Amino acid sequence: KAGVTQTPRYLIKTRGQQVTLSCSPISGHRSVSWYQQTPGQGLQFLFEYFSETQRNKGNFPGRFSGRQFSNSRSEMNVSTLELGDSALYLCASSLGQQNYQETQYFGPGTRLLVL
Amino acid sequence: SQQGEEDPQALSIQEGENATMNCSYKTSINNLQWYRQNSGRGLVHLILIRSNEREKHSGRLRVTLDTSKKSSSLLITASRAADTASYFCATARGAAGNKLTFGGGTRVLVKP
Repeated sequence: KAGVTQTPRYLIKTRGQQVTLSCSPISGHRSVSWYQQTPGQGLQFLFEYFSETQRNKGNFPGRFSGRQFSNSRSEMNVSTLELGDSALYLCASSLGQQNYQETQYFGPGTRLLVL
Repeated sequence: SQQGEEDPQALSIQEGENATMNCSYKTSINNLQWYRQNSGRGLVHLILIRSNEREKHSGRLRVTLDTSKKSSSLLITASRAADTASYFCATARGAAGNKLTFGGGTRVLVKP
């Protein structure tokens, strides 16, 4: 099976712009989660989508949003970019079983630089 | 906020030696997972240990979990230069779905 793919891999934006990142999960996986990784804050959970519905949300401002499509592919959007949004954005997929005992598989990440 | 704290923050060893790193967390968990990350790339899953398990092995990796102390350890035996990476513990708890809370990570350098 192909792994989790994320596009684009690298992105440079300027403050005030918006950005959309894409994640394609492993075939058959219905849960997609997004994480932000920065040197200062480490790895932080953004949100999780399952069956096109947001199932969990982290402590990020409303500028960060996401969605999931019927084929389980997910996008996240950041509006009005700030310098502090520069980070590695990681997507993870899993089957989405209700027992919460499942491995999450991560993509290679999208590195966003905000100038 | 991060649930886990990892110790040490950095570790430098010679090839062939064992590497041990620890993770502590604050609240009850469903499971604890260890991941490896090479040079700011994606995370690679290593082991998942459930809250009712005490020890798990996978190849050269051994993970222990002590829920009474809210701590876990990852042991890499007979380390190789290719093991050079950052290692993260992550906890999943309650009905929080697949939300993982990560520790700060341990940077491991294996010198040839």
